[in-house]
Amino acid sequence: SQKIEQNSEALNIQEGKTATLTCNYTNYSPAYLQWYRQDPGRGPVFLLLIRENEKEKRKERLKVTFDTTLKQSLFHITASQPADSATYLCALEKDSSYKLIFGSGTRLLVRP
Amino acid sequence: DAGITQSPRHKVTETGTPVTLRCHQTENHRYMYWYRQDPGHGLRLIHYSYGVKDTDKGEVSDGYSVSRSKTEDFLLTLESATSSQTSVYFCAINPGQGAQETQYFGPGTRLLVL
Repeated sequence: SQKIEQNSEALNIQEGKTATLTCNYTNYSPAYLQWYRQDPGRGPVFLLLIRENEKEKRKERLKVTFDTTLKQSLFHITASQPADSATYLCALEKDSSYKLIFGSGTRLLVRP
Repeated sequence: DAGITQSPRHKVTETGTPVTLRCHQTENHRYMYWYRQDPGHGLRLIHYSYGVKDTDKGEVSDGYSVSRSKTEDFLLTLESATSSQTSVYFCAINPGQGAQETQYFGPGTRLLVL
């Protein structure tokens, strides 16, 4: 069956360091992958989309990679700040139908 | 929240009662979605709509029905609420054209079924 895995353990890092979150998937061949941020008590907010023919995408301090051979995406936040503390969700396109399948998310904690 | 509102924001109900949650958008987007979010499961798609009166099931549709009579409104109904339907429910929208695959989420409805 199709499956998306994100590290369920919280990632705890020091301010200024680079945070790296992982998203692995099986039994998919998605045309694109997305990353969302979710703060407690709020809905997810879109951050970045990367397509299958793109190796890397950047937006300000954010960088996403997409390795379709490894079936993995890495999400990096450079020069992390306490305000980056949140849960980060990856999502894959399903069946070319504007439907998404979400991972369960990884919580990031950035210590001052 | 990209012109999306959900109502109510919080609801407590009893097992066996019907419950309707409303999602309203002002973006005129074609696609609308209902998800539930539970610890350890992430967001799971309940139902979605690809136009007025056009809906389809998601991965966890049992016990839920939906209706979309206008572009701006997408209703989720729990016909007879059960404790397993205690969850946080999110509505999302998507324009569904061009290369815009991004979904925009509402603020969520917290439902407790006693």
